[in-house]
Amino acid sequence: DVKVTQSSRYLVKRTGEKVFLECVQDMDHENMFWYRQDPGLGLRLIYFSYDVKMKEKGDIPEGYSVSREKKERFSLILESASTNQTSMYLCASRGQHSGNTIYFGEGSWLTVV
Amino acid sequence: KNEVEQSPQNLTAQEGEFITINCSYSVGISALHWLQQHPGGGIVSLFMLSSGKKKHGRLIATINIQEKHSSLHITASHPRDSAVYICAVLPNTGNQFYFGTGTSLTVIP
Repeated sequence: DVKVTQSSRYLVKRTGEKVFLECVQDMDHENMFWYRQDPGLGLRLIYFSYDVKMKEKGDIPEGYSVSREKKERFSLILESASTNQTSMYLCASRGQHSGNTIYFGEGSWLTVV
Repeated sequence: KNEVEQSPQNLTAQEGEFITINCSYSVGISALHWLQQHPGGGIVSLFMLSSGKKKHGRLIATINIQEKHSSLHITASHPRDSAVYICAVLPNTGNQFYFGTGTSLTVIP
């Protein structure tokens, strides 16, 4: 089974802190995605990556950056966390060889105080 | 503008009822997913459709490509079906999925 693992389920950070959210997939997928999910707004794409060291902005990239140094790992970085970044963050991956199936991690609940 | 619209947003049903959740989209697609998210949990794909109909246990998903519409049906609903159901489409071009805002289903015993 494909596994997408997010490093932290629950985090509480202070305003201004730097936050790293890590995501690892074990199926050699080319495409990886970071979303945030907020009530009433659904899933919104922050960044995605279609290959190592490649990244593309999604719909809401402001305040975020990403890193993809290895194919299996896609990191989301909040350079200076703010309270409006309190949300659920979901990582997903999709492989060319797995067709159009998308696989999600368990999610990371981030609270910024 | 949201490329994917779902209805209803919220749904409460008695155990045993037949449930339908609808999804309309505005772009040409390669595939459509129905996703399920339990409270506090991650998201799993229930179905991936590009045409026709699929059935898995009590769940049935249909898609009409010409009308750009899909439905998810749950027969003999059960409290464990309580979850958020999300419609997601993969457009013909690009790697990004578009998501509906989800339907929150509560099944009461």
